[in-house]
Amino acid sequence: GQQVMQIPQYQHVQEGEDFTTYCNSSTTLSNIQWYKQRPGGHPVFLIQLVKSGEVKKQKRLTFQFGEAKKNSSLHITATQTTDVGTYFCAGLPRGSTLGRLYFGRGTQLTVWP
Amino acid sequence: GAVVSQHPSRVICKSGTSVKIECRSLDFQATTMFWYRQFPKQSLMLMATSNEGSKATYEQGVEKDKFLINHASLTLSTLTVTSAHPEDSSFYICSASGLAGVETQYFGPGTRLLVL
Repeated sequence: GQQVMQIPQYQHVQEGEDFTTYCNSSTTLSNIQWYKQRPGGHPVFLIQLVKSGEVKKQKRLTFQFGEAKKNSSLHITATQTTDVGTYFCAGLPRGSTLGRLYFGRGTQLTVWP
Repeated sequence: GAVVSQHPSRVICKSGTSVKIECRSLDFQATTMFWYRQFPKQSLMLMATSNEGSKATYEQGVEKDKFLINHASLTLSTLTVTSAHPEDSSFYICSASGLAGVETQYFGPGTRLLVL
């Protein structure tokens, strides 16, 4: 069945270091979405990638969608303590009619000051 | 835009009682709403998908008679946990999208349920 694998599960970095989380889908996706969940909070939408090979940037965050539309990555440059939280990718399988997203298990980012 | 509210934010109840959680899309019409549960430090587990005016589609392993979902309007869906037990204690989160397969899912703030 459809699966979205996300690694690493945990990442601890010192403030100023870079951070990357990776997602890989077992099937081709229509799009992939990224969410951030702060401790004690709910997931907040960050971005959606639709096109093969797409790269989008939001300030220090860079999102990539693979050419085959099966993998994606989120890279944060020069992390800050405000980046702390769990980052989830969520894939929408190609041909989906219900809009059901398949979530990765998330990467929990800890940033030391 | 794209604000989703959820009520209540926290609820503590006795074992055996039923709890209703409301999910509302405040500034858009949500043709599809999703209900998730999340255990501490774990990912979101989809429980069911509901479309306005039709029966919800439950994920495998989710008891539809225990978790009753109603999506009576384009802005409101409810999840009722019937005869709650301590193992039902969890963080329940709804999300809403405008067009299935096209729009992003916007999440509500979640409801923390504690069953004593």
